[in-house]
Amino acid sequence: TQLLEQSPQFLSIQEGENLTVYCNSSSVFSSLQWYRQEPGEGPVLLVTVVTGGEVKKLKRLTFQFGDARKDSSLHITAAQPGDTGLYLCAAGVLYNNNDMRFGAGTRLTVKP
Amino acid sequence: NAGVTQTPKFQVLKTGQSMTLQCAQDMNHEYMSWYRQDPGMGLRLIHYSVGAGITDQGEVPNGYNVSRSTTEDFPLRLLSAAPSQTSVYFCASSYFKGPNTEAFFGQGTRLTVV
Repeated sequence: TQLLEQSPQFLSIQEGENLTVYCNSSSVFSSLQWYRQEPGEGPVLLVTVVTGGEVKKLKRLTFQFGDARKDSSLHITAAQPGDTGLYLCAAGVLYNNNDMRFGAGTRLTVKP
Repeated sequence: NAGVTQTPKFQVLKTGQSMTLQCAQDMNHEYMSWYRQDPGMGLRLIHYSVGAGITDQGEVPNGYNVSRSTTEDFPLRLLSAAPSQTSVYFCASSYFKGPNTEAFFGQGTRLTVV
């Protein structure tokens, strides 16, 4: 069982559509990160959210941390082919000396 | 502008062989870690180090050894490769441990054990 459950696992959409992907857990986290990974590369940090209810925007990407700090969402507006990639959420495990744990990711494909 | 450098990029091993995956960073980061990435499993932490001379186990440490003799280098050793160790391995570094700092990843090593 994954500590961080990401959904959907796969998502294929047309350019210009909006989408939301989710990262859920039964644990409370001090903070949560979103990374994007392109084929053949390592993950690259997009954002860190710290405060419950926090919303951060990065151009067409909107990240939200749940009020209870157990979940997060990533919303992309007007998706473009360049958004294609694997989106990973990650959080520190407070009861295990802050080891980082990653979700399995959402693989997004944006078709032109 | 190197960041985190991993070598080799691809490797095929026979069952029972040993090898070392190399990882070097030039950002003077104290914290370094190794992950493996398998389909549907995400990134799983193998071993980590909070500084030179200090290492500790992560979530899936069995079959792997690490050492940290310098701040820059953090090699991962497979003692006797098994097919279950077929995976993509990523090395990462950050200023300190935890989710409040950015982790910088290498490009990965794709390992196949036959």
